[in-house]
Amino acid sequence: GDSVTQMEGPVTLSEEAFLTINCTYTATGYPSLFWYVQYPGEGLQLLLKATKADDKGSNKGFEATYRKETTSFHLEKGSVQVSDSAVYFCALNSNDYKLSFGAGTTVTVRA
Amino acid sequence: DTEVTQTPKHLVMGMTNKKSLKCEQHMGHRAMYWYKQKAKKPPELMFVYSYEKLSINESVPSRFSPECPNSSLLNLHLHALQPEDSALYLCASSQDNGYEQYFGPGTRLTVT
Repeated sequence: GDSVTQMEGPVTLSEEAFLTINCTYTATGYPSLFWYVQYPGEGLQLLLKATKADDKGSNKGFEATYRKETTSFHLEKGSVQVSDSAVYFCALNSNDYKLSFGAGTTVTVRA
Repeated sequence: DTEVTQTPKHLVMGMTNKKSLKCEQHMGHRAMYWYKQKAKKPPELMFVYSYEKLSINESVPSRFSPECPNSSLLNLHLHALQPEDSALYLCASSQDNGYEQYFGPGTRLTVT
């Protein structure tokens, strides 16, 4: 079945540091890949997506590239802010209704 | 507009109460979902409605009863819940099968 593995953290960074959260997946076929972010006390927000190999999703300074050869979709941001403190979930969808989520990575950015 | 709304934001209920959670979207999406999320964990799928019909029930106990009155609304009826049912309940919608899902802000449920 489908599965997603992401580094669990927690990750603590200083402002303006570089952030990488690793995500790898197992799926049959050609899934769509997503990063969701959950700020404290809120629901999940779609951060970015990629639907085919070599697609790059980007939003709010975050980027992730769909790498089929390494089955990866790592999230990166060049300069984080305190407001980026949140839980980040990598997820995939193999063309059905079910989203498979990673365990989530808690990121704390200190001023 | 990619907004999914949920009411109430917070709910405290006793084990003998009956209550309902409500979810609404006006994006014309044909699939709607209920998830349960425990602290520090990813959401767990409970139910999926597709074109207003229940298409997936992830073996959820019968004390949770979903309802889809129309293509924009999704309810979750709660009855005789247990303290372990305390969690954040999230509603989501998507254009159809395989598309990205948009989540609401959730209802924080506490069962006493």
